[in-house]
Amino acid sequence: GDSVTQMEGPVTLSEEAFLTINCTYTATGYPSLFWYVQYPGEGLQLLLKATKADDKGSNKGFEATYRKETTSFHLEKGSVQVSDSAVYFCALREGGSEKLVFGKGTKLTVNP
Amino acid sequence: GAVVSQHPSWVICKSGTSVKIECRSLDFQATTMFWYRQFPKQSLMLMATSNEGSKATYEQGVEKDKFLINHASLTLSTLTVTSAHPEDSSFYICSASGLAGVGQYFGPGTRLTVL
Repeated sequence: GDSVTQMEGPVTLSEEAFLTINCTYTATGYPSLFWYVQYPGEGLQLLLKATKADDKGSNKGFEATYRKETTSFHLEKGSVQVSDSAVYFCALREGGSEKLVFGKGTKLTVNP
Repeated sequence: GAVVSQHPSWVICKSGTSVKIECRSLDFQATTMFWYRQFPKQSLMLMATSNEGSKATYEQGVEKDKFLINHASLTLSTLTVTSAHPEDSSFYICSASGLAGVGQYFGPGTRLTVL
């Protein structure tokens, strides 16, 4: 079945550091890919998405590129802020379905 | 943006009792609602999908008689954990979607602890 693997956390960075959270997937078809963020005490929020190969999703300084050849969708940000501290989830959705398959989540802590 | 609430945010109950968790879409009509379960350091696992006015579709391995889901209106779905046991202790998260293709909006989750 479909699955998502993302790097284990927690990840601790200093403010303005570069962030990469790796995400790879296995899927039978051509899925859409997502990054969700969960701030403390809140529900998951969609951060960015990409629906086909080579698409780049971006939002709030975060970027991720849909790489079909490496089945990856790594999340990057050039300069993190304390307010970016949260848990980040990579997910996929097969075409024609509403079901989301999630990775385990990566907790990011950014220190001032 | 669309807001989804859950109530209660946390609950502690004795083994053998039943617990009801509510999921509401506050500013949109949710034709479909999803219930997830999350164990510590694990991913969200989809338990069931419910469409308003019809029976829920459960994922493989999820006991439908234990986890009762009702989606009686376009803004409310409930998950009832019947005869709860300590192994049912978990974080339960709901999400809701309206028009197809818009995506899912997630609630903040409910922490269930069964003693």
